[in-house]
Amino acid sequence: KNQVEQSPQSLIILEGKNCTLQCNYTVSPFSNLRWYKQDTGRGPVSLTIMTFSENTKSNGRYTATLDADTKQSSLHITASQLSDSASYICVVTDRGSTLGRLYFGRGTQLTVWP
Amino acid sequence: EADIYQTPRYLVIGTGKKITLECSQTMGHDKMYWYQQDPGMELHLIHYSYGVNSTEKGDLSSESTVSRIRTEHFPLTLESARPSHTSQYLCASSEMVSRGGETQYFGPGTRLLVL
Repeated sequence: KNQVEQSPQSLIILEGKNCTLQCNYTVSPFSNLRWYKQDTGRGPVSLTIMTFSENTKSNGRYTATLDADTKQSSLHITASQLSDSASYICVVTDRGSTLGRLYFGRGTQLTVWP
Repeated sequence: EADIYQTPRYLVIGTGKKITLECSQTMGHDKMYWYQQDPGMELHLIHYSYGVNSTEKGDLSSESTVSRIRTEHFPLTLESARPSHTSQYLCASSEMVSRGGETQYFGPGTRLLVL
């Protein structure tokens, strides 16, 4: 069964600190992996997208890594800000169908305290 | 910032009412989607469309229906709302990106409460 598991479920850090969020998946065949940021009451916004051949992708203070062999990804946030408080969702797409089906994780709820 | 809009943002209605959730995008995307998301849970695909006059049901069984008469418009309708329909509904459209498949752009969502 194709699944996307994220950890931790929730995380509280102090402003200015770094943190790393984890995503493990069993989706196969793999097409790409994306990290989304979803603010409360809003729709998800794409942060990074990585294909099979990409190991690292950065977007400002966000750096995503992908290990396609172990089927693991991480999202590292550097020098956290209050505005980073949100849910971070890992989404994996398979390439076994015309739709390119998306599999969503439940997200990690990040809270940044001043 | 993606140009995809949803109305209303919040809706509180009584059981048995018919409602339509609106979704529009101005990016010319052919593919559009409706997701249902309960608090703290993952998004579940309930409907999708590849283009005008094309609609399909998603993974999660839903009593809602959709239509796609125009490229930019993808409304979702509940003929008779029930408390079990209380949830957040997210609309998305997508475009192809080089080597990376599709990127989906999400609307702000509609929070529905059925009393």
